Amino acid sequence: EAGVTQSPTHLIKTRGQQATLRCSPISGHTSVYWYQQALGLGLQFLLWYDEGEERNRGNFPPRFSGRQFPNYSSELNVNALELEDSALYLCASSSVGSGNTIYFGEGSWLTVV
Amino acid sequence: GQNIDQPTEMTATEGAIVQINCTYQTSGFNGLFWYQQHAGEAPTFLSYNVLDGLEEKGRFSSFLSRSKGYSYLLLKELQMKDSASYLCAVRDALGAGSYQLTFGKGTKLSVIP
Repeated sequence: EAGVTQSPTHLIKTRGQQATLRCSPISGHTSVYWYQQALGLGLQFLLWYDEGEERNRGNFPPRFSGRQFPNYSSELNVNALELEDSALYLCASSSVGSGNTIYFGEGSWLTVV
Repeated sequence: GQNIDQPTEMTATEGAIVQINCTYQTSGFNGLFWYQQHAGEAPTFLSYNVLDGLEEKGRFSSFLSRSKGYSYLLLKELQMKDSASYLCAVRDALGAGSYQLTFGKGTKLSVIP
């Protein structure tokens, strides 16, 4: 069974541009979570989607947004990129059937120059 | 909100036992998770405690005391491949169906020969 998949693996953008990151959850999982892991920092919760709806968001500015599609895949959009947005962005998924344990993808490295 | 503390770094010898502590202060509690994260990789799920006591899974055990806001991860028969960061995470009880996790900053474990 395939795990959580994310694309792209690496992304380099210029300050002020927009970045779009994509995530496909484990088959059968309806919840998708996005986390940011900046160098030397812990995982910071960004967004949680379930059944196509945004259920909760962390303490991030509105330029961080996303959506979940009918097939439960998700994308994270970061507008007006700033240098401090450089980080590993991790997507995770869960379902009631998995005991709501969260399983992570390999992440997307975003570098803003 | 959540406040989760764990030591920043630990060093232990191959074949030995190491205990990584985690304390938390939360407005709600609905389970505590431990993840392992090798450098540059995604976190992988290790264990889950929601009731007080010890959960054993092979060389790894995790303990929870809800009254003390305390957990530990015990690693036995340490191997070099156990060198990684260990992340403590708490699931809040914000409301029905709230399953996101709040993570500590992680403990970097170095296993030496």
